[in-house]
Amino acid sequence: EERLADSGGGLVQPGQSLRLSCSASGFTFGDYGMTWIRQAPGKGLEWVGFIRRKQLGGTTEHDASVKGRFTISRDDSKSIVYLQMNSLKIEDSAVYYCTRNSWQPSNPIDAFDVWGQGILVTVS
Amino acid sequence: IQMAQSPSSLSASIGDTVTITCRASQDIRNDLGWYQHKTGKAPKLLISGASSLQSGVPPRFSGSGSGTDFTLTISNLQPEDFVTYYCLQDYSFPYTFGQGTKLEI
Repeated sequence: EERLADSGGGLVQPGQSLRLSCSASGFTFGDYGMTWIRQAPGKGLEWVGFIRRKQLGGTTEHDASVKGRFTISRDDSKSIVYLQMNSLKIEDSAVYYCTRNSWQPSNPIDAFDVWGQGILVTVS
Repeated sequence: IQMAQSPSSLSASIGDTVTITCRASQDIRNDLGWYQHKTGKAPKLLISGASSLQSGVPPRFSGSGSGTDFTLTISNLQPEDFVTYYCLQDYSFPYTFGQGTKLEI
């Protein structure tokens, strides 16, 4: 079964840092791009950022709201994607989800087809 | 790219058919997905590429549209369908979600 398991959330003060991890199993992790999405309390879903697979350069994209503060990285040897969050703000409080991007050369449709269970980050 | 999703909430009954719409602020071809989100659970992909039903999703869900206007239609509503739905454009970064539609019984 294809699974993603998020970890690393918790309560931090404004200005502090936190690193989320997302461990993948059941599929060839290195073949996929990975995305982080969040949902603040009472709000809708918000796209946070994306990391391409190594074959496409392993480069990243970030939403303007987190650019310069959040960094996405990956360790294909461990099948883990990370979200390093620095200079946290109260408005970063949310449930964070890691997701798998479905895009493949044989099926070039990009969608989030596997999701982690979500991890709560509270900045207060 | 801004995604205008409507309505923000919708009341319906078991067995009804409902339609949710998303309008993109520019042409996004058919690079749009629909997601179902139950509170406390991870969102679930229903439709990708505007109209391709994901494996395991009941055929009462359907999507259509291209360019700027898209619709999600849910026919023969079942009790488990009364949750929140989001569209997402995956045409260009930053990807953006619609504001969500809460379907209420």
